[in-house]
Amino acid sequence: KAGVTQTPRYLIKTRGQQVTLSCSPISGHRSVSWYQQTPGQGLQFLFEYFSETQRNKGNFPGRFSGRQFSNSRSEMNVSTLELGDSALYLCASSLRGYEQYFGPGTRLTVT
Amino acid sequence: SQQGEEDPQALSIQEGENATMNCSYKTSINNLQWYRQNSGRGLVHLILIRSNEREKHSGRLRVTLDTSKKSSSLLITASRAADTASYFCATTQGQPGANNLFFGTGTRLTVIP
Repeated sequence: KAGVTQTPRYLIKTRGQQVTLSCSPISGHRSVSWYQQTPGQGLQFLFEYFSETQRNKGNFPGRFSGRQFSNSRSEMNVSTLELGDSALYLCASSLRGYEQYFGPGTRLTVT
Repeated sequence: SQQGEEDPQALSIQEGENATMNCSYKTSINNLQWYRQNSGRGLVHLILIRSNEREKHSGRLRVTLDTSKKSSSLLITASRAADTASYFCATTQGQPGANNLFFGTGTRLTVIP
């Protein structure tokens, strides 16, 4: 089976812009979770989607949003980008609600 | 913060030696998992131990869990240069099956050939 894929892999945006990141889970996995990784805050949970519904949400401002489509693919959106949003954004899919399979990440740089 | 703490932050050993990393967490958990990350890439799941288990083995990995002390340890035996990576513990809490992982701060392991 193909692993979790994320696009794009690298992205450079300017403060105030918005960005959309995409994640395709492993075939058959219905749960998709998003994480942000920064040197200062480490790995932090953003949100989880299951069957097109947001099931869990982390402690991030409303500028961070996401959605899941009927084929389980997921997108996350960050509006009004800030310098502090520069990070590696990781997507993970899960089948049974235990171990998660991570994609390679999207490295976002905000200038 | 709900994140766990890992100790040590960095560890450097010779190939063939054993490496031990420790993780402490703050709240009751459903399970605890260990992940490996190579140089800013995606994480790879290594092993999961449930809250009612005390020890688990997988190949050269041995994980222990002490829920009374809210701590876990990961032992990598007979280390190899390819084991060089960052290692994170992660817990799930609340509703069983929840997929919101709370990660520790990580241990950076360097294995010298």
